[in-house]
Amino acid sequence: DGGITQSPKYLFRKEGQNVTLSCEQNLNHDAMYWYRQDPGQGLRLIYYSQIVNDFQKGDIAEGYSVSREKKESFPLTVTSAQKNPTAFYLCASRLAGTSYEQYFGPGTRLTVT
Amino acid sequence: GQQLNQSPQSMFIQEGEDVSMNCTSSSIFNTWLWYKQDPGEGPVLLIALYKAGELTSNGRLTAQFGITRKDSFLNISASIPSDVGIYFCAGQGGPNYGQNFVFGPGTRLSVLP
Repeated sequence: DGGITQSPKYLFRKEGQNVTLSCEQNLNHDAMYWYRQDPGQGLRLIYYSQIVNDFQKGDIAEGYSVSREKKESFPLTVTSAQKNPTAFYLCASRLAGTSYEQYFGPGTRLTVT
Repeated sequence: GQQLNQSPQSMFIQEGEDVSMNCTSSSIFNTWLWYKQDPGEGPVLLIALYKAGELTSNGRLTAQFGITRKDSFLNISASIPSDVGIYFCAGQGGPNYGQNFVFGPGTRLSVLP
């Protein structure tokens, strides 16, 4: 059963702590993405990776870090430097080449207090 | 980064009615995607459009890639209660954005029985 999994669904952290959100896909997709969603806004791109061991900053990368050591995994770390980390985080992937159909995981809601 | 404009922002319709919503941009795109998101879940891809003027259907949903490449439209016929949710458009490609995706803020649809 192919798809994208994100864990955990809900995450609570104290201010000043780093936290890592998991994203795994078994679709054999080449590109993976992290987005942040805030109420009433469209999705904003944090980081993306087109290939293993390579990733690029998106529009709002400050305070976040990623790694892409395996094709199927693209974890996102929300660091203490992120000023307003409470949000809904969505991971997505797509097959490279001429397909631009991007598929999303179920999301992780992070609350930092 | 720029986000797309979606209208209407929200709409309330009676079950059985048809729905129309649109997405506009000041930039041209090579691909338009339409997603539906339920509360607390990740967006689900409904339709992908790859060619200006293209009209594509998926069940009761029909979407069109605007001829100017700066807009797209989504129609839902004979709405049912499970159509409730937020509908997002996304543009990809074109001279300003390369491989990445730009999202609209969404149209929130409510269906009254």
